[in-house]
Amino acid sequence: DQQVKQNSPSLSVQEGRISILNCDYTNSMFDYFLWYKKYPAEGPTFLISISSIKDKNEDGRFTVFLNKSAKHLSLHIVPSQPGDSAVYFCAAYSAQGGSEKLVFGKGTKLTVNP
Amino acid sequence: EAGVTQFPSHSVIEKGQTVTLRCDPISGHDNLYWYRRVMGKEIKFLLHFVKESKQDESGMPNNRFLAERTGGTYSTLKVQPAELEDSGVYFCASSWGARGTGELFFGEGSRLTVL
Repeated sequence: DQQVKQNSPSLSVQEGRISILNCDYTNSMFDYFLWYKKYPAEGPTFLISISSIKDKNEDGRFTVFLNKSAKHLSLHIVPSQPGDSAVYFCAAYSAQGGSEKLVFGKGTKLTVNP
Repeated sequence: EAGVTQFPSHSVIEKGQTVTLRCDPISGHDNLYWYRRVMGKEIKFLLHFVKESKQDESGMPNNRFLAERTGGTYSTLKVQPAELEDSGVYFCASSWGARGTGELFFGEGSRLTVL
């Protein structure tokens, strides 16, 4: 059973517009949520994270919003650039207990058209 | 500073053969993780080392998979004998010693194709 879900396999936007990537989770024990970006033939690279005690975290063009009651988070990219074209993975992590593993979604492939 | 390095980048073997994947974490990182992504699916946790000790191996699929981390430095993941369903990209990741926020540094992955 998937604990982290990204229901949109792909998203296409125009350069300069906003990209919104969505993620849902089921486990209320998650303490941190992260977004990773992955280019073809490369490993995932950390993009931005948010603690479960916050509802927004911003880093330049990237903002992550967390709605705990809905168990939903989203990544906003404004303005989108062609170099942002990649697969974006949502991940969650529980700092409690003995395991420090990340639980990933299936990813959303973002294409930013010039 | 060198990142996480993995070898080989791609391995093609036949069912029943053995393959060993290697990961060199970032120097000084106590935590080392193995993950796997089967095509089009999520990246799934396999196991977690803290230095040379296995902290969590709950994601290992079965006893055909054996991971080691000699001396708390590099790690190897052996698949013996390989099956068709083992095909995928195996990622290694590392992080600092203190329990953190989940931010991991990933290698480029080792693509395994079992024919």
